[in-house]
Amino acid sequence: KQEVTQIPAALSVPEGENLVLNCSFTDSAIYNLQWFRQDPGKGLTSLLLIQSSQREQTSGRLNASLDKSSGRSTLYIAASQPGDSATYLCAVRREYGNKLVFGAGTILRVKS
Amino acid sequence: DTEVTQTPKHLVMGMTNKKSLKCEQHMGHRAMYWYKQKAKKPPELMFVYSYEKLSINESVPSRFSPECPNSSLLNLHLHALQPEDSALYLCASSQRPNTQYFGPGTRLTVL
Repeated sequence: KQEVTQIPAALSVPEGENLVLNCSFTDSAIYNLQWFRQDPGKGLTSLLLIQSSQREQTSGRLNASLDKSSGRSTLYIAASQPGDSATYLCAVRREYGNKLVFGAGTILRVKS
Repeated sequence: DTEVTQTPKHLVMGMTNKKSLKCEQHMGHRAMYWYKQKAKKPPELMFVYSYEKLSINESVPSRFSPECPNSSLLNLHLHALQPEDSALYLCASSQRPNTQYFGPGTRLTVL
């Protein structure tokens, strides 16, 4: 059974810091991995999707890496801003089927 | 347009009521999903429709009844719910097996 773990559970940083969020998964037979952002009481916004054959994806200040063999992904946020404050979730899709398995999330607070 | 819409935004219902949640997308995606999310927890998959056919039911109680009338619409019919069913219900769609796009959710309260 696939299990996804995110560390740290919560993070508070001053504005301008670069930061790294970690995601690990137990079964390396994944099709892709997706990072989401969720604001309180809202839906999920897709940030980046990495296919199993890829090593990283970048979008603006965000960079996500994937090491499938070791079961790890990181989300790097450069020059953090208060508007980045949210819960960040990673989710993996199995090689077969449509199901996403989510981690519990990292709650990020960026202080101005 | 990468938008999934959900109605209503909020719903309060009694345990004897029947209500429905609606989800719509116009991205041509052929996979649609219902998730349930309790406070401070990640979303939990409930149902997946693929090409308008139910492909995954995660052992959801029968008081939740999904329906996919066409490729753009997904409904979730609710009947005889319990207070513990109060949660944020999220709809998503994808052009399988790629990025899932989520709607804003319906906040359901069962009294």
